Amino acid sequence: GESVGLHLPTLSVQEGDNSIINCAYSNSASDYFIWYKQESGKGPQFIIDIRSNMDKRQGQRVTVLLNKTVKHLSLQIAATQPGDSAVYFCAEKTSGTYKYIFGTGTRLKVLA
Amino acid sequence: DSGVTQTPKHLITATGQRVTLRCSPRSGDLSVYWYQQSLDQGLQFLIQYYNGEERAKGNILERFSAQQFPDLHSELNLSSLELGDSALYFCASSVEGTNTIYFGEGSWLTVV
Repeated sequence: GESVGLHLPTLSVQEGDNSIINCAYSNSASDYFIWYKQESGKGPQFIIDIRSNMDKRQGQRVTVLLNKTVKHLSLQIAATQPGDSAVYFCAEKTSGTYKYIFGTGTRLKVLA
Repeated sequence: DSGVTQTPKHLITATGQRVTLRCSPRSGDLSVYWYQQSLDQGLQFLIQYYNGEERAKGNILERFSAQQFPDLHSELNLSSLELGDSALYFCASSVEGTNTIYFGEGSWLTVV
């Protein structure tokens, strides 16, 4: 069954297109950010992370952009595939603390 | 597979009852985190343990308690259960000195 609420914002993209998922974080003192992917009935899976001293970080088919001025984080997925359909969460952490704050999540639907 | 193991995967119990959820962290990880994921509140941080000691506390109810044992496994105890406690409970672990936390598959708790 679904593990995340029914009221999430949803992004629908065509297979093969690029996806951009956005996240606004709350604490200007946060210095570490992670993107997680959560498939139905499973635990959140680490995708990519970025520290606050960076603006951009690339992984395999994914790129995370960080704009500290407006406290905004984005996850770009290139050539979106059906297997990318999931809920995506951003999480922030402040240096010296051990608490990760998660965003509400965005549901990505990939259309064939 | 993240390497974090949680049991049971599913649990149905009645209001007023008490349950214990168990978590085995990844090999070598000293930190264990507990999160609650419900339909309307996303991922909520409950508590963190490091090498047997409580390190950080989030929105954990007084009816809930946790501990981490010498072998580093952790248990989350939920008592006087209410219908609103129905949720997915995730355990996560991390290595000291790194920021990334890895989640287990969760324990589905349904209170009827």
